[in-house]
Amino acid sequence: AQSVAQPEDQVNVAEGNPLTVKCTYSVSGNPYLFWYVQYPNRGLQFLLKYITGDNLVKGSYGFEAEFNKSQTSFHLKKPSALVSDSALYFCAVRPTGANNLFFGTGTRLTVIP
Amino acid sequence: DVKVTQSSRYLVKRTGEKVFLECVQDMDHENMFWYRQDPGLGLRLIYFSYDVKMKEKGDIPEGYSVSREKKERFSLILESASTNQTSMYLCASSSPSGGVYNEQFFGPGTRLTVL
Repeated sequence: AQSVAQPEDQVNVAEGNPLTVKCTYSVSGNPYLFWYVQYPNRGLQFLLKYITGDNLVKGSYGFEAEFNKSQTSFHLKKPSALVSDSALYFCAVRPTGANNLFFGTGTRLTVIP
Repeated sequence: DVKVTQSSRYLVKRTGEKVFLECVQDMDHENMFWYRQDPGLGLRLIYFSYDVKMKEKGDIPEGYSVSREKKERFSLILESASTNQTSMYLCASSSPSGGVYNEQFFGPGTRLTVL
């Protein structure tokens, strides 16, 4: 069965510190991987994706993510957190040949001033 | 920029009512999706559509139906609303290009409360 896990419901980090939001997946084949962010009372916004190629993917707002095939992980990172990064983050995966996304349960990031 | 709009931001309905949630996208995308978002459960796919008049069930289609009469519009229908359908409903669209599936673009969501 296809699944995406975000093991942390909540991540707190001090402003200026590096942040990591974790994601692991279990799908068949070579998946496409995505990160989305949701600000309060808003829809989801696309941050970045991994399709193929370089394992380190750079996206919007200074975020990046590293695809690790052996660990089946796609952790979201940012070198220096901003208070405005506080939001709900979703990891999603599209298995090979599928047309829909499977989402994780979300991680709420709080950046403390 | 892609724009996905949903007909209502907030909706309150009574048990047993028929409810229509409308979604419109302006980028000529082939694919459209309906999700519901619940705390601790993330996003769960209800239905999606590849093209006009085509639909596919997602993970949780029970109690819902959809309609896609025009390419830009995808409607979610609750035939007889129940309290367990109280949720945030998110519509999304995407367009496959060159064989690589692009990201989905989401609308702002409709928070539905069924009393």
